[in-house]
Amino acid sequence: DTAVSQTPKYLVTQMGNDKSIKCEQNLGHDTMYWYKQDSKKFLKIMFSYNNKELIINETVPNRFSPKSPDKAHLNLHINSLELGDSAVYFCASSPDSGQGPALHFGNGTRLTVT
Amino acid sequence: EDKVVQSPLSLVVHEGDTVTLNCSYEVTNFRSLLWYKQEKKAPTFLFMLTSSGIEKKSGRLSSILDKKELFSILNITATQTGDSAIYLCAVGSGGSNYKLTFGKGTLLTVNP
Repeated sequence: DTAVSQTPKYLVTQMGNDKSIKCEQNLGHDTMYWYKQDSKKFLKIMFSYNNKELIINETVPNRFSPKSPDKAHLNLHINSLELGDSAVYFCASSPDSGQGPALHFGNGTRLTVT
Repeated sequence: EDKVVQSPLSLVVHEGDTVTLNCSYEVTNFRSLLWYKQEKKAPTFLFMLTSSGIEKKSGRLSSILDKKELFSILNITATQTGDSAIYLCAVGSGGSNYKLTFGKGTLLTVNP
């Protein structure tokens, strides 16, 4: 299937732990993103990478570190997890060319910090 | 800072009703306006609009963009319970730093 896939789907962990979320796309897109969706369903961009290069880094704590080993993968590592990090994290990708373009989203990772 | 405002935030209707969802925006370097539908998982793409006054249509859904007044509407006619979802408006902006800025969404509930 052509898609954006994220793992894991659910992540429950305690405050202070370090965790990672993986994302892969096989759409051949050059740009990948991480978005955070809070409890009120508001989607906010965190990072974007184009062909392994960091392009957008919104006001996100340094505890969040994205890593792109190649243009098909964008992982998110979170250090010293806090209660406020609980949210759904969506990975997305988009092509470089074309009008728009539209982002294609993964199914999200629901992170719960206790 | 780029801003996208949707209204209403929530809406409850009966099957068969017609609804209009609104989206206004203020962004620099506008490229496109997009509508997404979100049920339980990922937002799924509905429409992308780049030109004013040209209606995009898909079945019972249609959308139009006004670039002068900086808004868009999404219409759903003859609503069905399966239309219940959050409808997200997003504006694409930027060049090499392209991103989508989302509104807070409209939660539509269609009752039988």
